[in-house]
Amino acid sequence: EVQLVESGGTLVPPGGSLSLSCAASGFTFWSQAMAWVRQVPGKGLEWVAGISGTNEDTFYADSVRGRFTVSRDNSRATLFLHLSGLTVEDTAIYYCARDHNHYFASGTPLDYWGQGALVTVSS
Amino acid sequence: SYVLTQPPSISVAPGKTATLACGGDNIGRRSVHWYQQKPGQAPLLVIYYDVKRPSGVPERFSGSNSGDTATLTITMVEAGDEADYYCQIWDGVHLIFGGGTRLTVL
Repeated sequence: EVQLVESGGTLVPPGGSLSLSCAASGFTFWSQAMAWVRQVPGKGLEWVAGISGTNEDTFYADSVRGRFTVSRDNSRATLFLHLSGLTVEDTAIYYCARDHNHYFASGTPLDYWGQGALVTVSS
Repeated sequence: SYVLTQPPSISVAPGKTATLACGGDNIGRRSVHWYQQKPGQAPLLVIYYDVKRPSGVPERFSGSNSGDTATLTITMVEAGDEADYYCQIWDGVHLIFGGGTRLTVL
């Protein structure tokens, strides 16, 4: 059974930083691209970042490029998202999701999702 | 950048058919995926590559895509289908979601 479990969500002041983790199990982690998607409570879904399998090519939404960094540790089957330069507009639930393919920029769907981690940016 | 347009809400009586639209410029030339999200839950993939249905998703869910509109159709709507539904594409640079449609079962 595929499982994705996010952790690291917390309250952080504007301008601050934090890192989210997503522990994966139930599939061959290195062979799948992964993504982060966020959702302001009560609002729609917004893609944040993606990373391919072994070559680890990365892709970012314009709203976070230069501030957020996606990475992965295939030996630990874990996906990461480092968030910096945070603003109140970054307050959201951050979901980790598995891409259906090995390479992220393939137009493939996100076929499994974690339950999300809440990041609150507030002073 | 590419924009996907979804009506904010639709209401359907139980047993009837719900038709959820996702509009975009020449969207018929792209692969469209659909997600269902119930309150307090993570999104769930219900249709991918326009028409494919993941295992476990009822046959009542189907998709189509042509011209400027992709469509998710839910036949014999049940109370358990009440949720937000999002369409999604890859535009070559960005992964894009529509704004979502809230399906209310009357």
